[in-house]
Amino acid sequence: EDQVTQSPEALRLQEGESSSLNCSYTVSGLRGLFWYRQDPGKGPEFLFTLYSAGEEKEKERLKATLTKKESFLHITAPKPEDSATYLCAVRRNNAGNMLTFGGGTRLMVKP
Amino acid sequence: DTEVTQTPKHLVMGMTNKKSLKCEQHMGHRAMYWYKQKAKKPPELMFVYSYEKLSINESVPSRFSPECPNSSLLNLHLHALQPEDSALYLCASSQEAGKDIQYFGAGTRLSVL
Repeated sequence: EDQVTQSPEALRLQEGESSSLNCSYTVSGLRGLFWYRQDPGKGPEFLFTLYSAGEEKEKERLKATLTKKESFLHITAPKPEDSATYLCAVRRNNAGNMLTFGGGTRLMVKP
Repeated sequence: DTEVTQTPKHLVMGMTNKKSLKCEQHMGHRAMYWYKQKAKKPPELMFVYSYEKLSINESVPSRFSPECPNSSLLNLHLHALQPEDSALYLCASSQEAGKDIQYFGAGTRLSVL
């Protein structure tokens, strides 16, 4: 059975204090790892897709990386507007388009 | 444009009411999804439609009835719900089922009294 575990569950940072969020996964035949951002009461907003180990993607202050067992979302010099829940999800071969989500990391960035 | 529009934004209903949630996308996507999300939990898949046909039903109770009238529209009909069904209901779409990125709507916040 696919498993996705995100850590930490919650993270408080000062503005400008860089850090990383972790997504560990167990899946047979990875066919994509997805990062989403979700603000309270809103739907998840797509950030990145990673398909193979060694792949990296960047967008503004965010950088996502992928290994065979985990993915990291690096946040460089965060701002208060980066506060949100960050969700990781995996899709495996022969699973249609079913995504298995991790529990999320709630990020709070204080000014 | 990656917009998925859900209406209404908020819904309060009694356990004997019948109501419907609506989802619309104009991106030409052929796969659409319903998810349920409880507070501080990740989204849980309920239904998947591929080319307007139901392809996945994740053992959802029959009081939830999905409908896909055309490739742009997805409805979720609600009847005789329970208080524990209160949640954020999310719609998503992707170019095809099994491929590509799922784009989510803002959700409908449902409260069952």
